[in-house]
Amino acid sequence: GAVVSQHPSWVICKSGTSVKIECRSLDFQATTMFWYRQFPKQSLMLMATSNEGSKATYEQGVEKDKFLINHASLTLSTLTVTSAHPEDSSFYICGTRTGRTEAFFGQGTRLTVV
Amino acid sequence: GENVEQHPSTLSVQEGDSAVIKCTYSDSASNYFPWYKQELGKGPQLIIDIRSNVGEKKDQRIAVTLNKTAKHFSLHITETQPEDSAVYFCAASIGNNDMRFGAGTRLTVKP
Repeated sequence: GAVVSQHPSWVICKSGTSVKIECRSLDFQATTMFWYRQFPKQSLMLMATSNEGSKATYEQGVEKDKFLINHASLTLSTLTVTSAHPEDSSFYICGTRTGRTEAFFGQGTRLTVV
Repeated sequence: GENVEQHPSTLSVQEGDSAVIKCTYSDSASNYFPWYKQELGKGPQLIIDIRSNVGEKKDQRIAVTLNKTAKHFSLHITETQPEDSAVYFCAASIGNNDMRFGAGTRLTVKP
């Protein structure tokens, strides 16, 4: 299947700082990427859909000014958690759809805000 | 929007036995139903999928069935092995739109 690379795999940051997570599609052009958040022992919850060259679409309840998404190229989307707080600690996962509808996901990023 | 329900939340089987996980979806327009396996600390991995024009699909020990009328689909794993132990998620989507996930099933295969 398609390869989606996510970086970093884990990060610890201080409360009030910002953290950027990168998501790259390595072997295909991803016009759309999805960002999910997963709390311990819970399901993946969609945060936003990132479209190359346009503004991301956020799910209800997700603050777009806090979770900045940039999808400037067909192979890279980034999620920046701004002014992070301990409650933002979670597992963040990016994913993308290929032209044949399959969705593939990155390895995930474990964010811990202290 | 689409709502996906998944049962059971936990499942424990003996090695060699079969495991079945069931999901229902709410939006009759959904036409793509994948299953993912997630190991601890990793992203979900696609293990099998089915489209709405097919009722059943099999890949070695794994099979998925779809009942469009009832709006439910199931994952069947036969001859389970300890390495099958993981959390399994079903999902549903319409075309290339975003994927909505079930709550997950923690499968434990006891040696």
